[in-house]
Amino acid sequence: GQQLNQSPQSMFIQEGEDVSMNCTSSSIFNTWLWYKQDPGEGPVLLIALYKAGELTSNGRLTAQFGITRKDSFLNISASIPSDVGIYFCAGPWAGNMLTFGGGTRLMVKP
Amino acid sequence: GAVVSQHPSWVICKSGTSVKIECRSLDFQATTMFWYRQFPKQSLMLMATSNEGSKATYEQGVEKDKFLINHASLTLSTLTVTSAHPEDSSFYICSAPGLAVTDTQYFGPGTRLTVL
Repeated sequence: GQQLNQSPQSMFIQEGEDVSMNCTSSSIFNTWLWYKQDPGEGPVLLIALYKAGELTSNGRLTAQFGITRKDSFLNISASIPSDVGIYFCAGPWAGNMLTFGGGTRLMVKP
Repeated sequence: GAVVSQHPSWVICKSGTSVKIECRSLDFQATTMFWYRQFPKQSLMLMATSNEGSKATYEQGVEKDKFLINHASLTLSTLTVTSAHPEDSSFYICSAPGLAVTDTQYFGPGTRLTVL
């Protein structure tokens, strides 16, 4: 499938700091999705983006769909301990299948 | 919102036995469901697409005789790991396409399989 390159692979930050992660692709996507996975759980959808340039917020989370449609970023403001987890970007391909980025593991120090 | 459940949430079995994992869409119908496998600290790897009323579609490298998929109804798909071995130990997650939110998938909570 299509490859999504997600960075950074991991982050260890202090509580209260802002976080930024991004995904890039060699192909154009019409949709970008951001999921969070808590340990031992399935991924939960955070934000869905459908339009190039779109900026969407969900509480302290903000995600943008890149103008080129080949990238997206996710920002988390004022991180808290419960933000700990793995964040995945994803995009649909070949119908309704999804391809995933490698994930960003976020660790927050109280 | 769309809810997907999985059962069991974890299972420990002896090598050589078969294990069945169920995936249910609780408040919507799903003609298609997806089965993923996830190793520690890695991303999700699509194993197969489960199709209601027809055969599953397996990704390259996934043994269809090893991982039997049955989409018995519009709300239930099952994955059976046959003759399980320790290397089959993994986190198995199912998902179903979202209806209200386009192009998304809703994931089950996952099943942790440990083969002794």
